[in-house]
Amino acid sequence: RKEVEQDPGPFNVPEGATVAFNCTYSNSASQSFFWYRQDCRKEPKLLMSVYSSGNEDGRFTAQLNRASQYISLLIRDSKLSDSATYLCVVNRDTGRRALTFGSGTRLQVQP
Amino acid sequence: DAGITQSPRHKVTETGTPVTLRCHQTENHRYMYWYRQDPGHGLRLIHYSYGVKDTDKGEVSDGYSVSRSKTEDFLLTLESATSSQTSVYFCAISVPGEETQYFGPGTRLLVL
Repeated sequence: RKEVEQDPGPFNVPEGATVAFNCTYSNSASQSFFWYRQDCRKEPKLLMSVYSSGNEDGRFTAQLNRASQYISLLIRDSKLSDSATYLCVVNRDTGRRALTFGSGTRLQVQP
Repeated sequence: DAGITQSPRHKVTETGTPVTLRCHQTENHRYMYWYRQDPGHGLRLIHYSYGVKDTDKGEVSDGYSVSRSKTEDFLLTLESATSSQTSVYFCAISVPGEETQYFGPGTRLLVL
């Protein structure tokens, strides 16, 4: 079983739609949680951190459920520019600060 | 911009040849990482470094070695490249006070 699991998609949605991605992680000792965005043939870039109380950044909302060990990302009012792969990322070892990545969920926003 | 560059950006090589990839940062951050990215696997940690001459293995370190003789440079070497090492390689740094990482632009390696 992978340590971080995501539905690979693709999620094909029209502009303006609301779309949600979920991610599950297996290690209950995980400390920190993030969503990264990766455009085709580019490096991953931090989209947002995920806090226990949930957090919002513009059209993006992230939620963490420690009891069920899942993380979610909600995108409202989807834009064409949101088309990318979204990576769920977990940090379970603050000593070496290495991250564990999900395989990503691909989003395609269509006009 | 985290000031990370990688070289070369693309490389084609033959099985059995040695290959060295370079990661260079301009900010003198202590922690540096090498990952590989393959379809269906996400990014996987190869090696990391927590200072000059201080390195350790990640989850997929077999067939790879690293060196860090200067703070700004972290080298990844494939001693004898194999086709299974065809991948996209990303270097990353972590910044003090943050738990996230910032990535370089990647190196696409094809081993024939």
